[in-house]
Amino acid sequence: ELKVEQNPLFLSMQEGKNYTIYCNYSTTSDRLYWYRQDPGKSLESLFVLLSNGAVKQEGRLMASLDTKARLSTLHITAAVHDLSATYFCAVVAGTASKLTFGTGTRLQVTL
Amino acid sequence: NAGVTQTPKFQVLKTGQSMTLQCAQDMNHEYMSWYRQDPGMGLRLIHYSVGAGITDQGEVPNGYNVSRSTTEDFPLRLLSAAPSQTSVYFCASTRLRGQLGTEAFFGQGTRLTVV
Repeated sequence: ELKVEQNPLFLSMQEGKNYTIYCNYSTTSDRLYWYRQDPGKSLESLFVLLSNGAVKQEGRLMASLDTKARLSTLHITAAVHDLSATYFCAVVAGTASKLTFGTGTRLQVTL
Repeated sequence: NAGVTQTPKFQVLKTGQSMTLQCAQDMNHEYMSWYRQDPGMGLRLIHYSVGAGITDQGEVPNGYNVSRSTTEDFPLRLLSAAPSQTSVYFCASTRLRGQLGTEAFFGQGTRLTVV
């Protein structure tokens, strides 16, 4: 059974600081996704990582994938308040439509 | 282009009542899924479908039924609501992109409270 773990579960950080969210998964997969969710809203796709060593960047967010370590990271550079949200990683294994989600990391960026 | 439309947005049920959560997509995707979201547990897969007439169970299927009579619609039925089914429900429609992986589009969610 595929398990996906994220840490930390909650992250409070000051504006301007850097931090990394970690996503570990238990079985072989080369497709990993990062989503953002604002309170009371749906999920917004951030990144799709499809191969070992893949790195994607959008603004202050950068995601990477190490399939050998079964680890993905979401790095936040010089955080701003607008990045406050919950971030989920999700892994696909087997049937294309079956996403297995991590528990989510609630990020709070304070002034 | 509406994408994935879920109705209702909010619902309160009494224990033992039944109801259907509606999900429709206009993107002609073959794959559709239902997830529930509970605090501290991420999203968990309830049921999914790989095409019209084909459905299968996910991680937490008990107490829920689905059917897929058309490509566009994928309703989720609660047979006899229980307080443990209080949750936020998301429907997703997924596009296969070959070597580019899959792309899931989520509805706006249904917040269900069972009292």
